[in-house]
This record gives sequence, C-alpha cells and structure tokens, in this order.
Amino acid sequence: QVVLTQSPSASASLGASVKLTCILSSGHSSYSIIWHQQQPEKGPRYLMKLSYDGTHIKGDGIPDRFSGSSSGPERYLTISSLQSEDEADYYCQTWGTGIRIFGGGTKLTVL
Amino acid sequence: QVQLVESGGGLVKPGGSLRLSCAASGFNFSDYYMSWIRQAPGKGLEWISYISSSGSTIYFAESVRGRFTISRDNAKNSLYLHMNSLRADDTAVYYCARDLVDPWGQGTLVTVSS
Repeated sequence: QVVLTQSPSASASLGASVKLTCILSSGHSSYSIIWHQQQPEKGPRYLMKLSYDGTHIKGDGIPDRFSGSSSGPERYLTISSLQSEDEADYYCQTWGTGIRIFGGGTKLTVL
Repeated sequence: QVQLVESGGGLVKPGGSLRLSCAASGFNFSDYYMSWIRQAPGKGLEWISYISSSGSTIYFAESVRGRFTISRDNAKNSLYLHMNSLRADDTAVYYCARDLVDPWGQGTLVTVSS
C-alpha cells in the first residue's frame, strides 16, 4: 500500500519562498497527489492536483504564488512571496481504487 | 458557488449511534463521487469512506469498516454518514468533500464520551 511521507515542520521568512515535500513510497513514484492547506482553526482547502510529470491543476481562487512540481517519487509544493496567512498545515493526498491516503502533514511557520 | 454543509454532530456516549448529513449546492451533485474525512483533535486528516456518484460503489477505511455506513440521496443533493458502535477514538471533526476535487465542507464535531 502506498505511503506518503512529509516532514512534520518547515519554516521560512515573510516574503521568501518555501518548498514543501511529499514522498511517495517505493514502487509508487508515478502516482499523482493532491495538496491541501489547513489554516489554524479552519477546514482544509484544496490547493492543487499534481501529476508525476509536474503538471498541476489548481483549485478555484488559488493564487499564482502556489505551484507544484515533481521529481521521481517526490512531489513538491512551492509557495513564493510568503504571507502571514500561508502559515498553516499542508497535507498531501493520493488515491487508488478503494482507498484514499493522506500524508502526516507539514506545519509551516512564517517567520 | 459550490458549497458543502455538514450537520448532525454532537456528543454521544460510547456504543451509541449518530447520523451526519452533508448538504451540497452549486454543482450537479449526482455527477460526483463524495468522501468523508475526519480529523481527531490535534491530529492529521484521516480518510473514512467514499461513495460513487450513483451510490453503487462504496469503500471504507479499516478503522470504521463494519461500524459506519455511507449513503447518498441524489434527489436531495445530500450525503450521509451513519455511525454505529461509536468509540472514544471516533471523536473528531468530520468533513465531507467532493472526492479528490475541491472544496471541503466546514466540518461537524463528533464527541464520543460518557
């Protein structure tokens, strides 16, 4: 079964860029994923669907500052020009027939 | 705009039952697979179940299989989660979502405690 691995935490300065990583387990490097954002005390928000080749389709209203890319089993979420409201938990998700799987999430702190 | 609104959460005793509802609007509900996802206090997201657009295909996570059921009423644009034999570790905010597509609902809190 596929497993998604995320670093528990990350930090970056206001106005800077940050790249968050989601790693697919061995044998699953072709899987697409979805990135979700969860701001404090709010429900999750769909950011984008990201394919193995780096193509990504963002959800409605997601700013251009959010982009995705891929390399082998790694899926990335890059946030540029960090703003205070980007401080949030970020989850990756993948899927198969009969199953949906979330990574453990990365807590992003904007310094 | 696309909107999902959950309801039905509350306090229930261990071993009890609860039915959650999710009212959908702003899109053709019958075209979409739907999911329930939960989040225990201070924890990450856990997928629970999804149902196909017609309701003919259903899957559950192992943690709730045999205790929870999922259903939908496409005429009423509504999704349901029927929870039985509730345990303390089922305490969580429960979200409905269009499966693998935005958006999510705002969630409803279920607390299982004596």
